[in-house]
Amino acid sequence: ETGVTQTPRHLVMGMTNKKSLKCEQHLGHNAMYWYKQSAKKPLELMFVYNFKEQTENNSVPSRFSPECPNSSHLFLHLHTLQPEDSALYLCASSPGRSGGRDTGELFFGEGSRLTVL
Amino acid sequence: RKEVEQDPGPFNVPEGATVAFNCTYSNSASQSFFWYRQDCRKEPKLLMSVYSSGNEDGRFTAQLNRASQYISLLIRDSKLSDSATYLCVVIGDSGNTGKLIFGQGTTLQVKP
Repeated sequence: ETGVTQTPRHLVMGMTNKKSLKCEQHLGHNAMYWYKQSAKKPLELMFVYNFKEQTENNSVPSRFSPECPNSSHLFLHLHTLQPEDSALYLCASSPGRSGGRDTGELFFGEGSRLTVL
Repeated sequence: RKEVEQDPGPFNVPEGATVAFNCTYSNSASQSFFWYRQDCRKEPKLLMSVYSSGNEDGRFTAQLNRASQYISLLIRDSKLSDSATYLCVVIGDSGNTGKLIFGQGTTLQVKP
């Protein structure tokens, strides 16, 4: 059983819809991440939050909007997506260290599989 | 050139076989290296870290060659349960976990 929970597990949306993905971690971690996994491509880092502050935005289009209200919750708000945005979106957490190195171990949720029609 | 490159496979091997995967990375300043495992339709999970001196965990051995910028994973006495995709992961330069760079993954299928 994962300590990182993602909902919904599956989402189908039209290009004009607005939806959100939710991630919650129960591990007491301070860093949270969004990754995108497309077929036959490496995981792509999208956003990083460290102690609720966004520390990384990997040139992600503005139709993806992250929100981190506290260290345990992370959202990815979606609007006017394109069919090529269809993918598995993985949330992850790590202990996080203010100003220092982390261990390199990420704890992933099971992912939200998104299909954009 | 991709930052982290792996042969996607699949590698099809019989039970009991020894199999090795290589992974190359482009940034010579990379500091930390890992192997993750991802089962079909599941999330990635850390398998093992890769240390400069090499490290072993049961049937799994990981090695790092900084001069040639590659890391390897050796699996001895393969089990059916080893069937998965193995992801090579590199921390780019700052040591910040946010800079984890994943390879495409190598798929292993162990047959009875």
